[in-house]
This record gives sequence, C-alpha cells and structure tokens, in this order.
Amino acid sequence: GQNIDQPTEMTATEGAIVQINCTYQTSGFNGLFWYQQHAGEAPTFLSYNVLDGLEEKGRFSSFLSRSKGYSYLLLKELQMKDSASYLCAAPGGATNKLIFGTGTLLAVQP
Amino acid sequence: NAGVTQTPKFQVLKTGQSMTLQCAQDMNHEYMSWYRQDPGMGLRLIHYSVGAGITDQGEVPNGYNVSRSTTEDFPLRLLSAAPSQTSVYFCASSYSMDRANLPLHFGNGTRLTVT
Repeated sequence: GQNIDQPTEMTATEGAIVQINCTYQTSGFNGLFWYQQHAGEAPTFLSYNVLDGLEEKGRFSSFLSRSKGYSYLLLKELQMKDSASYLCAAPGGATNKLIFGTGTLLAVQP
Repeated sequence: NAGVTQTPKFQVLKTGQSMTLQCAQDMNHEYMSWYRQDPGMGLRLIHYSVGAGITDQGEVPNGYNVSRSTTEDFPLRLLSAAPSQTSVYFCASSYSMDRANLPLHFGNGTRLTVT
C-alpha cells in the first residue's frame, strides 16, 4: 500500500526559514517528489530525491531519509510569493504511478 | 512549446449530462494521465496511458472513460455527470514513467461543477 502524510497548514514570516515535512509508507521505493501549487494554478515540479541526503536548489532544498520514510522541503529567505501549497508525491499504490499527499498550505506573512 | 493544454477551463453540467475534457501535449511525451483534485483529498489518479493505444485505470476510474488514439491527445469523458464529480481536473504528462525521476508536467486544469 501507499500512504503519504504531510501537515495541512503552516505559517511563516517573510525572510525566515520553514521546513515542511512528509512521511511516506510504500511497498517499494522509487524516489520522492515535491511540487509547488499556487492557488488556482497547476502544480509545478520543485525537486526529486532518490538517495538519502540533502539536495539544494537555490532557496529550496529537499531532504530524504529512506530508512525513516521521511522527507522535508526547506525554504530559505521566504518571500511572499512562496505562499502556496506544497505537495509531496511518490510512485506507489495499486498502479505504481505518482501518488500525492494532500498538500501543505504555506502562508507567508509580512 | 505550449506544454500541456487543457480545455475548457471552466464547465458547468447538469446531472446526467456527458462531456469530454480535452488534453493535448506537444512534448512527445509517452505517458499521460488525468487527476482530480478535491479539498482535503489531494490529487487522485483517474486514468493513465503509457502510449498511443494503451490506457489503464488509476485509483478512481468509475464514471470516466479515456482513449489515446494519438501520442498528443488524451481526452477524458464523463459518461453521465454526477454532483460527486464536481472537482478540478488536471491532465499531466511525462516523457516516460519507466524513468521514475522524470517529473510530471501539468495542464492548467478544468474546473467542473455538476449541479
């Protein structure tokens, strides 16, 4: 089976750092994705991790621990435009296609 | 490249009506899929296709049909609309799902309301 859990909502301050956690349970593991989705728009790809450790891309970093079934997305130097939903996803389920968590709605406040 | 194009952007249907949501991509992607997104439920896979002439069911296929006559197009048909099908529908494609590290590219979505 496949289960992906992430917090429903988070609030952070402009200029700060925020960490969005994701835990997953899969019968097999074939990588983990993070997507960003602004209100009323399509999800867009942020990062992919298949090996343990931290992957850095500018202000955004993503971490994976396969032994713990855990990932996080780290956003630094928060900007107002970072207010969005952040979706954790991994291949799995009955179809072994991409399964998404319910998303974490991040609100960045001045 | 236009990427993934979905039409229409908005649609209102009455219960029992049928309609087709269109999806086209110009990236020569093998893999195409349809998701629905509902509050508190996340994105759920309806149907997918790994190439022209090949389709398969996702997590929530009931009430929907698909076909893949060309690489570019992957329409989603609602046979007899029900209020439970009120949702935002996203079409997404990828070069190949055999390579798990390739991300999905999403269309801008179709917001469907069934009354």
